[in-house]
Amino acid sequence: DGGITQSPKYLFRKEGQNVTLSCEQNLNHDAMYWYRQDPGQGLRLIYYSQIVNDFQKGDIAEGYSVSREKKESFPLTVTSAQKNPTAFYLCATQQSTGTSPLHFGNGTRLTVT
Amino acid sequence: GENVEQHPSTLSVQEGDSAVIKCTYSDSASNYFPWYKQELGKRPQLIIDIRSNVGEKKDQRIAVTLNKTAKHFSLHITETQPEDSAVYFCAFPSGGYQKVTFGIGTKLQVIP
Repeated sequence: DGGITQSPKYLFRKEGQNVTLSCEQNLNHDAMYWYRQDPGQGLRLIYYSQIVNDFQKGDIAEGYSVSREKKESFPLTVTSAQKNPTAFYLCATQQSTGTSPLHFGNGTRLTVT
Repeated sequence: GENVEQHPSTLSVQEGDSAVIKCTYSDSASNYFPWYKQELGKRPQLIIDIRSNVGEKKDQRIAVTLNKTAKHFSLHITETQPEDSAVYFCAFPSGGYQKVTFGIGTKLQVIP
């Protein structure tokens, strides 16, 4: 979706370094999500946020952190505590929870060596 | 958490044949059931959705059916074409409608 910007598209880091993935939206959606996708795998929820200054852990939050200081922004930090950080990360927004579709950004492919 | 089952995990069909993918859920309070398509290396995109007040919805070659009693909903693609080859995910709200859970995905291959 043109209203969701994830940057960068490709990111390379050395093991032991923290890295922050950016997600910005101009859709004025309240809810924002971070999913992780591994090759040939489904989408696993890392963190989600329904309103500014509030967020909840998803199914695989260990080794990740987020913030929601502005409605438009929901950055994800992959910390050195995440044991297998190499993956495709997708940010999504939702106009209202429960009964509306998710809109996805183009994703960031993170490679940690 | 929400129990989500999607099958098959892979599906190969001849061009022109139909494809059916099924998802089973456990939360009887769910009332919104979307399907997403993800082409290789791209983001998932909504292709069709249905709400619990209807049993079927069609959009050209794509349809979704919902059986609330049995707690499953299915994606039907008719007259499949090579460009239908992708991974398809079902999804629905969980955690008191605070989050969205996805099925494991079905990799559809349409053979020309």
